[in-house]
Amino acid sequence: DVKVTQSSRYLVKRTGEKVFLECVQDMDHENMFWYRQDPGLGLRLIYFSYDVKMKEKGDIPEGYSVSREKKERFSLILESASTNQTSMYLCASSPNLAGGLYEQYFGPGTRLTVT
Amino acid sequence: AQSVAQPEDQVNVAEGNPLTVKCTYSVSGNPYLFWYVQYPNRGLQFLLKYITGDNLVKGSYGFEAEFNKSQTSFHLKKPSALVSDSALYFCAVSTNAGKSTFGDGTTLTVKP
Repeated sequence: DVKVTQSSRYLVKRTGEKVFLECVQDMDHENMFWYRQDPGLGLRLIYFSYDVKMKEKGDIPEGYSVSREKKERFSLILESASTNQTSMYLCASSPNLAGGLYEQYFGPGTRLTVT
Repeated sequence: AQSVAQPEDQVNVAEGNPLTVKCTYSVSGNPYLFWYVQYPNRGLQFLLKYITGDNLVKGSYGFEAEFNKSQTSFHLKKPSALVSDSALYFCAVSTNAGKSTFGDGTTLTVKP
């Protein structure tokens, strides 16, 4: 079974702090994704990566950055956390691009609260 | 730009009755369509997908979905709902470009 793990289930940070969310997958997937989930807004793509050291902006990249130094690990960074970044963050992975053919495998999510 | 619409925020059905969760999409080119389910305090789980071929696809937990190209729809169905099917359901679309777009989600409540 594919396993995607996220470093924390719940996180509380203060405004202005630098926040790191870590995601690890164990199935040698090339693609990794970061989404945020907010009620009534579905999943919105923040960043994705097709390979090590490669990244592409999703639909809402402002205020976020990412790092992929190893194939299995994809980190989301909030450079200076703000209250409007309070949300559920979901990491996902999928096999080689192949034109979006493959389903994504999701981690359990990190619920981040910024106070 | 591709998009997905789930026109119902909430669907309520009685246990044992058939259920339908609606999804329509808009893309350029051939769509790849997916359904995911999210149980409380859990990540999303893949249910089923349509890539090509038979318009009726079957997936996990007795769910199925019908691809209708003329109506650009991909509705999720189950002949007999269970209380344990109560969850948040997401429809998603992707194309050869690779990026997936998700709908806003539909909360399914199955009452005993």
